[in-house]
Amino acid sequence: KAGVTQTPRYLIKTRGQQVTLSCSPISGHRSVSWYQQTPGQGLQFLFEYFSETQRNKGNFPGRFSGRQFSNSRSEMNVSTLELGDSALYLCASSPTPGYGYTFGSGTRLTVV
Amino acid sequence: KNEVEQSPQNLTAQEGEFITINCSYSVGISALHWLQQHPGGGIVSLFMLSSGKKKHGRLIATINIQEKHSSLHITASHPRDSAVYICAVTPNQTGANNLFFGTGTRLTVIP
Repeated sequence: KAGVTQTPRYLIKTRGQQVTLSCSPISGHRSVSWYQQTPGQGLQFLFEYFSETQRNKGNFPGRFSGRQFSNSRSEMNVSTLELGDSALYLCASSPTPGYGYTFGSGTRLTVV
Repeated sequence: KNEVEQSPQNLTAQEGEFITINCSYSVGISALHWLQQHPGGGIVSLFMLSSGKKKHGRLIATINIQEKHSSLHITASHPRDSAVYICAVTPNQTGANNLFFGTGTRLTVIP
C-alpha cells in the first residue's frame, strides 16, 4: 500500500513569505502529526490532528498552523517566514493517535 | 533538560559487531519508539514498545519501565545499518499523543 506522501519534497522561500506543506496519510489512517527537524534543535513536535480536530500542539509560535480535511489529508502553513524556519518538516500518520506511526520522507524548506 | 537522553551520540563499528544504543527518559510514558533515519531524511519506525522486548530480524529492542530505560541492539551489524537511530517517547499524559525525541545516535558501520 502507498506510504505517507509529503509534497513538495524541496522548497525555497524568501523571508516574510508564507508556505503551505501537504501530507497525505496512509489510507485508513486518521491521525496525522507534524514535526520539525533542525540541526540545532533536533526533532520537535508541531501538532497532531485526528478526525479534522487539532488534538495537541507543540511549543511553536502562532505563525505555524495546520488543518486536516475530511479525507485525513493534512496541510501545515507557516506565515511570515523567518530564516530559522529552515528545516526538514516531517509528517507521520497512524491509525489512531499515539500508535503505529509511519513517517513521510519530509519537505525540506529553505528560507533565504 | 531534554526528556529523552540517548547514548552514545556517535558510534563507529566494524561489520559484524554487536551494537547497543541506549535511551533514558524522565517522564511517564505510554510507549517508546525506536526510529531509523537515513541520509535524505526519511524516517522508518522500527519498534514501538510499552513493556518487555521485541525482535525483528537482527534488531532487538528492550524496555525497563521501572528504570525508565530502553536499549536497541543490532546483531551482526552491516554497512547498510549505517543511519541515525532516534528514541522517542509518547508521554503518559491525558490527551497527549505527541512524541518527545532524543537527539539521535549516528551509527557508522565500516566494511
